[in-house]
Amino acid sequence: DTGVSQDPRHKITKRGQNVTFRCDPISEHNRLYWYRQTLGQGPEFLTYFQNEAQLEKSRLLSDRFSAERPKGSFSTLEIQRTEQGDSAMYLCASTSGSPYEQYFGPGTRLTVT
Amino acid sequence: AQSVTQPDIHITVSEGASLELRCNYSYGATPYLFWYVQSPGQGLQLLLKYFSGDTLVQGIKGFEAEFKRSQSSFNLRKPSVHWSDAAEYFCAVYTGTASKLTFGTGTRLQVTL
Repeated sequence: DTGVSQDPRHKITKRGQNVTFRCDPISEHNRLYWYRQTLGQGPEFLTYFQNEAQLEKSRLLSDRFSAERPKGSFSTLEIQRTEQGDSAMYLCASTSGSPYEQYFGPGTRLTVT
Repeated sequence: AQSVTQPDIHITVSEGASLELRCNYSYGATPYLFWYVQSPGQGLQLLLKYFSGDTLVQGIKGFEAEFKRSQSSFNLRKPSVHWSDAAEYFCAVYTGTASKLTFGTGTRLQVTL
C-alpha cells in the first residue's frame, strides 16, 4: 500500500493557461474524490467518482473544470483558462467500501500568476 | 445542510500541556465525525473517527475525542502535547446524502518548548 499519490506537487502557471493534475488512488479503491483547499480554509468538495462514473459535482466545479477517471484507476483534473482565484491546494482522496473513511494524497499546490 | 464549526483559529500550548480542540457540527441525524491533521505542505492524515457506539474514541498519536450529542460537539483532546503535534487540525462530518466530507475551517496548533 503506497498511499494516494498526486502529480505534480507544485504547479505555477500564468493566468489563462490550462493545467492538468493527476491522482493515483490506493490500489483497488473504487471511490475517488477531489477537494480544493484555499489558504486558511478547510478542504471543499469538488467531485467524486465511483469506478469510472462521475457521480457528483459541486457547484464550485465551474465549466472550466473537468475531471475524468477513464479506467476507474487514476484520475485527472483539468482547469482551463486558469484564473488567479484558482490558486489553491487540490487534494485527492480515495476509499474502498466505506465512503466516509477517505485517505488523502499530499495535494497539488497551484499558483496562478 | 450539514456544517462544521471550529471556533478556535489558532491555539498555542506548551509542550507537555494538555490540549482540547473544539468542534461543533450541525446535522439532523447522528453524523459520522472525523478529525484530520495536516502538517505544512502535506495532505490530511486521519486521526480518529466516530460512527456509533462508545462516545469516547481513541485515535493515533495519543489523541482521543468525545462525541456529545446534547452539545453537538466532537472535541479533540490530548493529555500531553509534543512539539511534533504542531500542525493544522480539521474536524469533518460525513453525511451519506452528499457522499462527501464537510470540513471545518481548521485550528492551527502551535507548541512552545
